Amino acid sequence: GQNIDQPTEMTATEGAIVQINCTYQTSGFNGLFWYQQHAGEAPTFLSYNVLDGLEEKGRFSSFLSRSKGYSYLLLKELQMKDSASYLCAVMDSNYQLIWGAGTKLIIKP
Amino acid sequence: TAGITQAPTSQILAAGRSMTLRCTQDMRHNAMYWYRQDLGLGLRLIHYSNTAGTTGKGEVPDGYSVSRANTDDFPLTLASAVPSQTSVYFCASRGTSGPGEQFFGPGTRLTVL
Repeated sequence: GQNIDQPTEMTATEGAIVQINCTYQTSGFNGLFWYQQHAGEAPTFLSYNVLDGLEEKGRFSSFLSRSKGYSYLLLKELQMKDSASYLCAVMDSNYQLIWGAGTKLIIKP
Repeated sequence: TAGITQAPTSQILAAGRSMTLRCTQDMRHNAMYWYRQDLGLGLRLIHYSNTAGTTGKGEVPDGYSVSRANTDDFPLTLASAVPSQTSVYFCASRGTSGPGEQFFGPGTRLTVL
């Protein structure tokens, strides 16, 4: 079957760095997406990886290892506004997104 | 540019009643999706449409139907609502440029009593 695993909740301190991991098993692979979702709002696109390695976008970076079925989202210089859920999703062979349950990130001052 | 709009924002519905959730996009995206999001679960695909005139079933299609008469609109209908359909419903669309990320509407919070 298809499965996306990520931690349910993480806590970090303002100004610090946090890494949110995602492991996946899917039928086919056409890229891995990270989305941010603030409470009560819609998910918004953060990053995309289709090749192995690190993609950097400002304070956010995302890493992919296709052989290990593994990705992480790295958030640097954490701000209070980064408190949100972070959703990992894999695009399968039918170009549909398979979603993890999301990681709720709590930022403490 | 509005992007994707959904209506209503929220609704309380009596079990057994029917309801249509509306979704409209102005980005001329071919692919559109309906998801439900429940606490502790990931987004689950209900139905999708790869282009106007075609639809397909997702992971949890039972109790729901969709139509895609044109590119912009993708309504979701609950024929006879049940309490297990209480959820937040998101409509999304996907373009063909860039990585093909999905863009989401603001969601409809539906409570079935």
